[in-house]
Amino acid sequence: NAGVTQTPKFQVLKTGQSMTLQCAQDMNHEYMSWYRQDPGMGLRLIHYSVGAGITDQGEVPNGYNVSRSTTEDFPLRLLSAAPSQTSVYFCASRLLRGGDEQYFGPGTRLTVT
Amino acid sequence: GDSVTQMEGPVTLSEEAFLTINCTYTATGYPSLFWYVQYPGEGLQLLLKATKADDKGSNKGFEATYRKETTSFHLEKGSVQVSDSAVYFCALKGGSYIPTFGRGTSLIVHP
Repeated sequence: NAGVTQTPKFQVLKTGQSMTLQCAQDMNHEYMSWYRQDPGMGLRLIHYSVGAGITDQGEVPNGYNVSRSTTEDFPLRLLSAAPSQTSVYFCASRLLRGGDEQYFGPGTRLTVT
Repeated sequence: GDSVTQMEGPVTLSEEAFLTINCTYTATGYPSLFWYVQYPGEGLQLLLKATKADDKGSNKGFEATYRKETTSFHLEKGSVQVSDSAVYFCALKGGSYIPTFGRGTSLIVHP
């Protein structure tokens, strides 16, 4: 199993540009989520999904969109990048029933200039 | 709502020192408790977990005991190594879909 994979690893954007961060998992996990990690702020939940076709907002959803068309993929879209979105982004997944531990991807480091 | 409080870092130790990172929580019911570790430049990975009161989770020489009476899940290791330098996150999973994480504690171990 590859686990949770994220692409790209690094990205630099200019203010106003849009992009999609990719996340995929091969463990048949129903639950997937996106976090951002900033110094001194810990992990903040952006969006999450409990299955294909179902998404919901987390703590800091503004400026981000998600969709879940398949169990495996959960892309995060930045609509119009802002310097405040400079961060490290992590995708995570887990089973909805049993275990409860989350599996994290390696992260995408995004810089918006 | 649920919350997790862990000690602020950084925690700086010499190799072979004893480590304690405090974690307390607030939750309704009987949550599962976790410690995750994040090595530099990587994502979080599960270090250990406990699912009910008085359970002890252990892995790689680290231990934590689920104490319901004190709502705590402190992480301990008897002798740290330079390779243990990382950020450690305490977390809980209660009845909600969404787990709750602490802010993380940075551990720096000097040779």
